[in-house]
Amino acid sequence: EPEVTQTPSHQVTQMGQEVILRCVPISNHLYFYWYRQILGQKVEFLVSFYNNEISEKSEIFDDQFSVERPDGSNFTLKIRSTKLEDSAMYFCASSDGTGVHEQYFGPGTRLTVT
Amino acid sequence: AQSVTQLGSHVSVSEGALVLLRCNYSSSVPPYLFWYVQYPNQGLQLLLKYTTGATLVKGINGFEAEFKKSETSFHLTKPSAHMSDAAEYFCAVSDVNGNKLVFGAGTILRVKS
Repeated sequence: EPEVTQTPSHQVTQMGQEVILRCVPISNHLYFYWYRQILGQKVEFLVSFYNNEISEKSEIFDDQFSVERPDGSNFTLKIRSTKLEDSAMYFCASSDGTGVHEQYFGPGTRLTVT
Repeated sequence: AQSVTQLGSHVSVSEGALVLLRCNYSSSVPPYLFWYVQYPNQGLQLLLKYTTGATLVKGINGFEAEFKKSETSFHLTKPSAHMSDAAEYFCAVSDVNGNKLVFGAGTILRVKS
């Protein structure tokens, strides 16, 4: 069964460093999403992406964040200058855009900022 | 704006007992509603969804949920709990554009033997 994959599974970085989180969505999907879950808190929407453009973004998704689909298979989330409060589990999801836009989630990347 | 409230951050049931996880939503437009399950160290897996039509929806692993518009609820049930059902469950709502899911805070289900 097709699945969303994410790398790395765990990343540790120092405050102020740039990180890139990578996702490979399901191959025929056209809509891509990033969510995050701070430990002990709810899953929060960050951004949705379609046709090489951001469709919607939350107030969390400020200028420190960016997304890119650099090739036909990868979807990345970049955090330019990490802060301690960026420590969280980051989930990528994808959807084929039909019907109810059912979203399939990857296993997540745990980002720890020290 | 849409929002989801899950009553009870932790629910504990005995194996074989009824599972009831509560979810109430707020939405100014007809909602699409979802239940996801998260096992330890894994991603979110879709259990079931409500879009339109039949208000009682069945999902994987014997779970079902009923959409009640008058109560703005979408509670998740399973007649008989198994040990393997122990996980965290998230209720979520989206609009028809499907640009984002809004999640509840989650309910951790514990199943006692």
